[in-house]
Amino acid sequence: KNEVEQSPQNLTAQEGEFITINCSYSVGISALHWLQQHPGGGIVSLFMLSSGKKKHGRLIATINIQEKHSSLHITASHPRDSAVYICAVNLMNYGGSQGNLIFGKGTKLSVKP
Amino acid sequence: DGGITQSPKYLFRKEGQNVTLSCEQNLNHDAMYWYRQDPGQGLRLIYYSHIVNDFQKGDIAEGYSVSREKKESFPLTVTSAQKNPTAFYLCASKTSLGPPNYGYTFGSGTRLTVV
Repeated sequence: KNEVEQSPQNLTAQEGEFITINCSYSVGISALHWLQQHPGGGIVSLFMLSSGKKKHGRLIATINIQEKHSSLHITASHPRDSAVYICAVNLMNYGGSQGNLIFGKGTKLSVKP
Repeated sequence: DGGITQSPKYLFRKEGQNVTLSCEQNLNHDAMYWYRQDPGQGLRLIYYSHIVNDFQKGDIAEGYSVSREKKESFPLTVTSAQKNPTAFYLCASKTSLGPPNYGYTFGSGTRLTVV
C-alpha cells in the first residue's frame, strides 16, 4: 500500500469550475507539500502545510492532521491550470534522511475552455 | 535569478553505455536530491546529499552513482548496471536552514531514453 494516496487520478473540468484534489497519507508527517508539474516536466512548489489552511490566488490548500488528509482546491479554474498536481509528505523522524519527501502518484487535471 | 539547472532536457543513449545527468544550483542550498519518475508512479528517491563530499543512497540507488565535490553541483551517472534506465529524472534542492520541511526547489528534469 502506498504511504501517500491521491484521488482522483485523472480529472477533467470545464473552465470556471471549482476543483478539489484529495491526498491521504498513512504515516506520521512533519509537513505536506502540494506541487504542480507542467507537461514539460518541471515541478513548482505550490504549498507547504503542517496545519490549517493556506491560500494563494485561486489556490487553497487545507490539511487535517488527525484525519491524515489534505485537499487542494482551485477556484474559477482556467485551462492554464491544466497540469499534474502532486502531493508529497515529509515523514516524521525519517531515519537519517531528514527532509526527504514521499510522493503520491499525482492527479492529472485537464481544464477545457 | 536563482534556481536549478538540469541538462540536457532530452538524452538518448545506447544500451550498455554510462550517461551522466547534470544538476547545478545557484541557491546556496546545502541539500540536493535526485528522483526518478516513471509513468503512473510517484517520484522515487535515488540519491541525496546534505553536505559537500557526502551523499546517501535513496530507495532505488542500484545502478546509479553520484558525486558532490561542489556545493552547487550534484551530477547523477546512470550506469550500464541500471536494468531499466529509461525514465524522467528530476533534481531538487533545499536549504538546511530552518526546519527539515522547509521549501524545496525543483529542476525542469531530464528525460532519458535508452535504445
